[in-house]
Amino acid sequence: EIVLTQSPGTLSLSPGERATLSCRASQSVSSNYLAWYQQKSGQAPRLLIYGASSRATGIPDRFSGSGSGTDFTLTISRLEPEDFAVYYCQQYGSLPRTFGQGTKVEIK
Amino acid sequence: QVHLVQSGAEVKEPGSSVKVSCKASGGTFSNFTITWVRQAPGQGPEWMGGIIPFFGTAHNAQRFQGRLTIIADESTSTAYMELSSLRSEDTAVYYCAGGMSLDVWGKGTTVTVSS
Repeated sequence: EIVLTQSPGTLSLSPGERATLSCRASQSVSSNYLAWYQQKSGQAPRLLIYGASSRATGIPDRFSGSGSGTDFTLTISRLEPEDFAVYYCQQYGSLPRTFGQGTKVEIK
Repeated sequence: QVHLVQSGAEVKEPGSSVKVSCKASGGTFSNFTITWVRQAPGQGPEWMGGIIPFFGTAHNAQRFQGRLTIIADESTSTAYMELSSLRSEDTAVYYCAGGMSLDVWGKGTTVTVSS
């Protein structure tokens, strides 16, 4: 089973700042099948990035994903008020699929 | 765009079973991966298993071995998740999600296990 470790656990930033979230896999993610999701309280997760770097439909271009193999990054170039939420990475390249434990982006 | 509608909240006693449905509309159900994910209070998402209706074979997480059944009914474009031998730790919101990279999600079904 691939273990995904996200860091930091919490990121305290101000609107307009840049957010950099990390997701490290215990072994290489097949075909870079790595996704990022945003989740707000009481809502289902929402797909932001798939295939490590492709934005999902309707996702603003301030969200970008990068990385390959075992190291992946989600970057939010300029935080908007609606971006403060919890972010999860997930690998779907091998079974069982696994999620990271999440990074909370909170208002400083 | 596929839309997923889940069944309503459930309250179950320990030792019983729960069956949650997930009806798809607006797309081709047969070759659309349906995944079940649960989220316990205050915790992150947990992958439970998934199925491609055309093939009919589900892949489940080992930790649910023997307790989890995932099926798909192509005639009604509905997927089902049944979890048996419920315990308090199974209290969670259960989501179905569609697509290989979980492009679309249902709103979730709250399952509470309590005596």
